[in-house]
Amino acid sequence: EAQVTQNPRYLITVTGKKLTVTCSQNMNHEYMSWYRQDPGLGLRQIYYSMNVEVTDKGDVPEGYKVSRKEKRNFPLILESPSPNQTSLYFCASSFGGGHPSSGANVLTFGAGSRLTVL
Amino acid sequence: GNSVTQMEGPVTLSEEAFLTINCTYTATGYPSLFWYVQYPGEGLQLLLKATKADDKGSNKGFEATYRKETTSFHLEKGSVQVSDSAVYFCALSSDYGQNFVFGPGTRLSVLP
Repeated sequence: EAQVTQNPRYLITVTGKKLTVTCSQNMNHEYMSWYRQDPGLGLRQIYYSMNVEVTDKGDVPEGYKVSRKEKRNFPLILESPSPNQTSLYFCASSFGGGHPSSGANVLTFGAGSRLTVL
Repeated sequence: GNSVTQMEGPVTLSEEAFLTINCTYTATGYPSLFWYVQYPGEGLQLLLKATKADDKGSNKGFEATYRKETTSFHLEKGSVQVSDSAVYFCALSSDYGQNFVFGPGTRLSVLP
């Protein structure tokens, strides 16, 4: 089944304790992205990657790191989490590039990771 | 920069009522427009899309038309069901899909 898999789905941690949220897709997608969802703010993009070893900042990158060493994986790293990073996080992927009518830019989302930082 | 505005919720309707959720956008170039739906406890999934002006996207009885003159992409359904209760997000992407922008979401509750 074509899917985007995130882990963990739920996590409670404490301020300053490094954590990684993994994201893996099995659709050979080139484009991958991380979003956070907060009430009243919708989804805001944290980082995105157009391909292996190519990453770029989204709208709210502060406090986060990413890497794209393999096409299928795009982990989100919180080096020193703070309470304002408590949120619902989504990973998404698409074929990317190409003409929009080809469907290349349709995002497939993971089920989400709810993170609480105390 | 690009932005999406959609009506604030929550929206509560009775089953079989008509639904409209307004969405307007600001963008340069020729963006693609989307409606995504999020059911409780799940990630977002594509509901419908339109890639150029005057295109109509449709799926599961929902429709939206890409109106460049009014920069709008309003979501409509003629007769909602309880199973349509969810959060609906309007979104756009830049020409080559690397810049997605989402609206704040509209929560819809349909009562039997």
